[in-house]
Amino acid sequence: SQELEQSPQSLIVQEGKNLTINCTSSKTLYGLYWYKQKYGEGLIFLMMLQKGGEEKSHEKITAKLDEKKQQSSLHITASQPSHAGIYLCGADEGGNTPLVFGKGTRLSVIA
Amino acid sequence: NAGVTQTPKFRILKIGQSMTLQCAQDMNHNYMYWYRQDPGMGLKLIYYSVGAGITDKGEVPNGYNVSRSTTEDFPLRLELAAPSQTSVYFCASSYSTRGGNYGYTFGSGTRLTVV
Repeated sequence: SQELEQSPQSLIVQEGKNLTINCTSSKTLYGLYWYKQKYGEGLIFLMMLQKGGEEKSHEKITAKLDEKKQQSSLHITASQPSHAGIYLCGADEGGNTPLVFGKGTRLSVIA
Repeated sequence: NAGVTQTPKFRILKIGQSMTLQCAQDMNHNYMYWYRQDPGMGLKLIYYSVGAGITDKGEVPNGYNVSRSTTEDFPLRLELAAPSQTSVYFCASSYSTRGGNYGYTFGSGTRLTVV
């Protein structure tokens, strides 16, 4: 079955700094989804990537999909305290199979 | 528009007790899912449903049962609760077609402790 490995597991950055979170799949990626979870809350959908080379942005968050490397990266520019939380990537194996999730990256932003 | 509603938010069960976690969505999504989240372990799929009357096992179905009698509701039943079922449970729904799914909407979770 598909496995997703996220790196780093945790990250502490100073407010205003840029950061990148990676998600690497053990199998071909058909759809890659990024979610954010605030501590003790549910998951909020950020972005969906479906094509190799696709790049999407929402405010200061940009996600890219590298189909050949079976990898996606999430980049946050000029981090703010509101960016703190757990970022999870999810992927399906095509054919509407349920999403498999990575273990998450815990992001802390300090002043 | 409520999205996905889960009840209860918190529950403490004694070993051997049973309970039902409720999940309802009002978006007319065809697919629904139950995941559990253990610390540092990401989300593991318990059961899912592609439509009313159709359910299928996920990665960790043992100790759980589900039913899907309507499009809106997808309850998760725990029989004979065990400490290993202490976790945070998330229900999600999605609209999926042959072209793929369009992202999941998650409920806010149920934090269950079995003592």
